[in-house]
Amino acid sequence: DVKVTQSSRYLVKRTGEKVFLECVQDMDHENMFWYRQDPGLGLRLIYFSYDVKMKEKGDIPEGYSVSREKKERFSLILESASTNQTSMYLCASSGTGDRNEKLFFGSGTQLSVL
Amino acid sequence: GDSVTQMEGPVTLSEEAFLTINCTYTATGYPSLFWYVQYPGEGLQLLLKATKADDKGSNKGFEATYRKETTSFHLEKGSVQVSDSAVYFCALGRDDKIIFGKGTRLHILP
Repeated sequence: DVKVTQSSRYLVKRTGEKVFLECVQDMDHENMFWYRQDPGLGLRLIYFSYDVKMKEKGDIPEGYSVSREKKERFSLILESASTNQTSMYLCASSGTGDRNEKLFFGSGTQLSVL
Repeated sequence: GDSVTQMEGPVTLSEEAFLTINCTYTATGYPSLFWYVQYPGEGLQLLLKATKADDKGSNKGFEATYRKETTSFHLEKGSVQVSDSAVYFCALGRDDKIIFGKGTRLHILP
């Protein structure tokens, strides 16, 4: 089974801190995604990547950046955390070929910014 | 732009009741359509999918039919169980991205 692992289940940070959220997948998937999930808003795409060192902005990239130095790892970076970035962050990956095929999700990181 | 609209929750049903969660989409062409489910404390997982008009996706007793004429992909189950309590997301795949609806929380009472 595909496994997508997010490094932390819960994270508490202070306003202005630089925050790294790590995601690793073990199925050699080329495509990786970061979403945030908020009540009443569903899932919103922050950034995605279809290859190493490649990144594309999603629908809400402001305040975030990403890094994909290795195929299996996709990091989300909050350069200067703010309270409105308190949210559940979900990482996902999918295989090559049809990028609209099945996404495999991690269990999520609940980030609280105080 | 492309979008997905699904019925707002929460939806509360008794065990063995019939379930329908409505989903409609806006998109040009022929997107793939999905239902994902999120159980408490977990990430999302694919429940079922359909890739072309009139396709029926099914899994774990759930079904949904891709209706292009009504741009709909409603989720149905004939007899729900307490273990079906979760959040359900309708989604479409288009232009290398998957776009999700806002989710519908389902509570099943024993």
